[in-house]
Amino acid sequence: NAGVTQTPKFQVLKTGQSMTLQCAQDMNHNSMYWYRQDPGMGLRLIYYSASEGTTDKGEVPNGYNVSRLNKREFSLRLESAAPSQTSVYFCASRDRGAGSYNEQFFGPGTRLTVL
Amino acid sequence: AQSVTQPDIHITVSEGASLELRCNYSYGATPYLFWYVQSPGQGLQLLLKYFSGDTLVQGIKGFEAEFKRSQSSFNLRKPSVHWSDAAEYFCAVGAPNAGNMLTFGGGTRLMVKP
Repeated sequence: NAGVTQTPKFQVLKTGQSMTLQCAQDMNHNSMYWYRQDPGMGLRLIYYSASEGTTDKGEVPNGYNVSRLNKREFSLRLESAAPSQTSVYFCASRDRGAGSYNEQFFGPGTRLTVL
Repeated sequence: AQSVTQPDIHITVSEGASLELRCNYSYGATPYLFWYVQSPGQGLQLLLKYFSGDTLVQGIKGFEAEFKRSQSSFNLRKPSVHWSDAAEYFCAVGAPNAGNMLTFGGGTRLMVKP
């Protein structure tokens, strides 16, 4: 049981390049999330998918797109990378349990640098 | 909208000393509250969570937190810190609507002196 996995672990892009960050979970969770982490700002939600087939914007969606490919996979795409998108990106998943609020499980992160 | 404030950006304690990390939240209803820990280069690991009931919550690694509604606080405590506790700690509030999003505080970096 690998939990939440993310690829790649590290990436360097030039301004204007595009790339897709991959995330997969093997816990059969309904909901998945993408965050970015910047120093002193904690984690900020970019997009989330409450269930397969749905996606919604979070706090900082500009410059990103997402795809919930199936229940397991949730990808984040940067169409035209900018230096302001230099950050550490975390994917998380959560089981939508009945009558309770279940915690989110996090992947190990992708460290992205945009030059 | 909910928000979380962690007033202390950095804290240094001696090994064996007690620890308290502060967290204040703003939310219009009963909050769901969490503490996560992040070791260098790692993802986030859940320490403990509060949904309802007993306001003193026990977590992993000897941590506990107390929910105080009157003070809008959810401070994390540990009676005796170990060198391995050096990490960054994040408090978060969960919203039960809108996809149950988490809002995180800015984090507190804990350093432990030998």
